[in-house]
Amino acid sequence: EAGVVQSPRYKIIEKKQPVAFWCNPISGHNTLYWYLQNLGQGPELLIRYENEEAVDDSQLPKDRFSAERLKGVDSTLKIQPAELGDSAVYLCASSFSEPDTQYFGPGTRLTVL
Amino acid sequence: GIQVEQSPPDLILQEGANSTLRCNFSDSVNNLQWFHQNPWGQLINLFYIPSGTKQNGRLSATTVATERYSLLYISSSQTTDSGVYFCAVTDSSYKLIFGSGTRLLVRP
Repeated sequence: EAGVVQSPRYKIIEKKQPVAFWCNPISGHNTLYWYLQNLGQGPELLIRYENEEAVDDSQLPKDRFSAERLKGVDSTLKIQPAELGDSAVYLCASSFSEPDTQYFGPGTRLTVL
Repeated sequence: GIQVEQSPPDLILQEGANSTLRCNFSDSVNNLQWFHQNPWGQLINLFYIPSGTKQNGRLSATTVATERYSLLYISSSQTTDSGVYFCAVTDSSYKLIFGSGTRLLVRP
């Protein structure tokens, strides 16, 4: 069984540029999550989807961050414009349902110069 | 919100040694997971353990939900056990809340 797939694995951009991250969850998993992990800390939830619906986006900075999961399968997280403080690892996870075990992808390491 | 505290924050072991990692949480939780984040950043599920005891090879975990703590035991540690161990709990809204982790280094 394939795990959670994320791309790109690494991204370096200059501040004020846009950036997008892609995630494909484990097949059959209805719930998808985006997390932010700063250096030396545990991941923090940005947004949770149940199928196509964003059921918890309270931690998503909506002035510059957006996400979509149009067909209830893969998802895209976008930042526009990026700021220096956005440098971090962005993790995607999926689970069959709540509160089931969450499985994480390898993450995208973003560096904003 | 729920607070998750892990101890110790850092741990250095000689290969072959045993260790116990602790996770305390401040309120009732729906479930608890232990993860290992390897040096390449991949988070790997170790245990899904809202209560009781589970074992998987050299690793075992015990959660005492009524006393709001969980323990992860690593026996006969190997260099490949190095990395960061995270405890994460799910609150009443099914949000997964992570502790700050225990950074383990196993020396050969």
